[in-house]
Amino acid sequence: QVQLRESGPGLVKPSGTLSLTCGVSGASISNDNWWTWVRQSPGKGLEWIGETYHSGTSHLNPSLKSRVIILVDKSQNQFSLNLTSVTAADTAVYYCARGTVLRGVRPLDYWGHGTLVTVSS
Amino acid sequence: DIQMTQSPSSLSASVGDRVTITCRASQRVSTYFNWYQQKPGKAPELLIYAASSLQNGVPSRFSGSGSGTDFTLTISSLQPEDFATYYCQQSYSVPFTFGGGTKVEIK
Repeated sequence: QVQLRESGPGLVKPSGTLSLTCGVSGASISNDNWWTWVRQSPGKGLEWIGETYHSGTSHLNPSLKSRVIILVDKSQNQFSLNLTSVTAADTAVYYCARGTVLRGVRPLDYWGHGTLVTVSS
Repeated sequence: DIQMTQSPSSLSASVGDRVTITCRASQRVSTYFNWYQQKPGKAPELLIYAASSLQNGVPSRFSGSGSGTDFTLTISSLQPEDFATYYCQQSYSVPFTFGGGTKVEIK
């Protein structure tokens, strides 16, 4: 069974860097999947942050692109999210998910449980 | 960015009701389109991909249709476990945007 699990600090200071890791089990990160980050501000909808492939290719949301890096670590079978210069607006539950190619489409078929990151001094 | 507009934003329904949720894309997305269900405190779960294909393990009372800009999620007979928030998503063009959600509540 494929499982994803987010880990990282639950509290980040304003202007600091949010760093999260998503550990993947039950599947190789080198498979034909796109490893994705999605966030959800409290009481709000879902925001697609970006995705990466095991080759290192990534696609990022233009609204966050200047502040986001998504990397793959094949040796640890995990991928990571770094978001710099955070503000209170970045407070959210952060999910990692697997994008899989089905009929040419790329839905998110497995998700982590999510981790709440609060930006506060 | 492609904007995804869901309607209604919320609805009240009874067990056994037929429920329809719609989603409109601001640009044509072909069938690069997905539906998710999210329950409180949980991660979203994939229901429908490619507009009309049922994800493995999802009950057949869920169905999806549409192409281009207009899409529909139908629950043929609402069950107690279906009370949740539903999100649409386009995976045609980065960023892969989501709709604002439709909360299905018990009448």
